[in-house]
Amino acid sequence: GAVVSQHPSRVICKSGTSVKIECRSLDFQATTMFWYRQFPKQSLMLMATSNEGSKATYEQGVEKDKFLINHASLTLSTLTVTSAHPEDSSFYICSARDITSDQETQYFGPGTRLLVL
Amino acid sequence: AQSVTQLDSQVPVFEEAPVELRCNYSSSVSVYLFWYVQYPNQGLQLLLKYLSGSTLVESINGFEAEFNKSQTSFHLRKPSVHISDTAEYFCAVSGHSGGSNYKLTFGKGTLLTVNP
Repeated sequence: GAVVSQHPSRVICKSGTSVKIECRSLDFQATTMFWYRQFPKQSLMLMATSNEGSKATYEQGVEKDKFLINHASLTLSTLTVTSAHPEDSSFYICSARDITSDQETQYFGPGTRLLVL
Repeated sequence: AQSVTQLDSQVPVFEEAPVELRCNYSSSVSVYLFWYVQYPNQGLQLLLKYLSGSTLVESINGFEAEFNKSQTSFHLRKPSVHISDTAEYFCAVSGHSGGSNYKLTFGKGTLLTVNP
């Protein structure tokens, strides 16, 4: 149980294009999902909290117009990196909380590696 | 607000040796504590957690951690490591006061390298 998937696992795009990353909770419902960014050999940095049916809450310093988050259902949240630039290249990881049980615990997806050329 | 300090960025050990990965935290509210493991190019996997009750918690693969409130620590231990335990280990804390939304604050991670 408590499996979270991400798609795609890797993406390479040209500078100026937009990239959408999906995060799905496969066997549980998640009213709250989280999006993190991880630079090489560093820890995870929380970017935003995605709330089903409402606007995401962004952490200080994260551009909400740059990183668009949509949480349209209890099992799917998407992160769109708009007009991507090379400095957006990173490892993006999502997590989700099971609202029916064990809500204190976040379960993580496998991550999406984005490379912007 | 919470913060997490993992004192060792890298811990090299030999196979079958014991290991301790240190984690200290600070928080103005009561906390939940977690250890996650990350293998290369993968997401994080929950290793173990402390929510309440017994201060000693165990994982299915032989790791254990003990919550020490007075020392604000949650060190991770294993009496005998395997090559397959080589990975990055992250300690994390979340506050469980109202409105915290269970946001996690991570330490910087400790790279455990098990050598033959």
